[in-house]
Amino acid sequence: AQSVAQPEDQVNVAEGNPLTVKCTYSVSGNPYLFWYVQYPNRGLQFLLKYITGDNLVKGSYGFEAEFNKSQTSFHLKKPSALVSDSALYFCAVRASGSYQKVTFGTGTKLQVIP
Amino acid sequence: DAEITQSPRHKITETGRQVTLACHQTWNHNNMFWYRQDLGHGLRLIHYSYGVQDTNKGEVSDGYSVSRSNTEDLPLTLESAASSQTSVYFCASSPLNTGELFFGEGSRLTVL
Repeated sequence: AQSVAQPEDQVNVAEGNPLTVKCTYSVSGNPYLFWYVQYPNRGLQFLLKYITGDNLVKGSYGFEAEFNKSQTSFHLKKPSALVSDSALYFCAVRASGSYQKVTFGTGTKLQVIP
Repeated sequence: DAEITQSPRHKITETGRQVTLACHQTWNHNNMFWYRQDLGHGLRLIHYSYGVQDTNKGEVSDGYSVSRSNTEDLPLTLESAASSQTSVYFCASSPLNTGELFFGEGSRLTVL
């Protein structure tokens, strides 16, 4: 069975500092990996995805994520955090052959402190 | 612009009542999904559909049903609501092969 772990319930970072939100995964075969963001009382919004190719993926709002196959990780990063980045972030995975079965992590709340 | 809408956004009901949550998308996506979001559990898949007349059970399907009579709509029905079904429900859709999901704004259901 596939799974996603987001080990931190909350990450606090000062505005202007770099941020990292951690994600590790388990899946059979090649993974498709995703990050989503959820603002209060809203649905999830797609940020970025890794399917194949370059291990560093760039997405919306200046976010990027690094795929590390040996460590089965897909950490979300941003060089300089903004207060408006404060939200709930979800990592998700699916196996390459079954695009309907997306498994989500439990989410990490990012708090950017002014 | 294409979108995915859910209704109602908020609903309070009593144990044992039947409840239907509507989901309508104008993306013309074949794949549609229902998730529930609970603290500590992230999002869990309830039911999904690959196209008209196709429905499949997800990991937490007990007590829920869906039907797909057209491309645009995937209503979720709770046959006899239980307090354990108090949650926020999200509908999502995706085009073939790209993988990313497009989510609605959610329906908050409270079962008393």
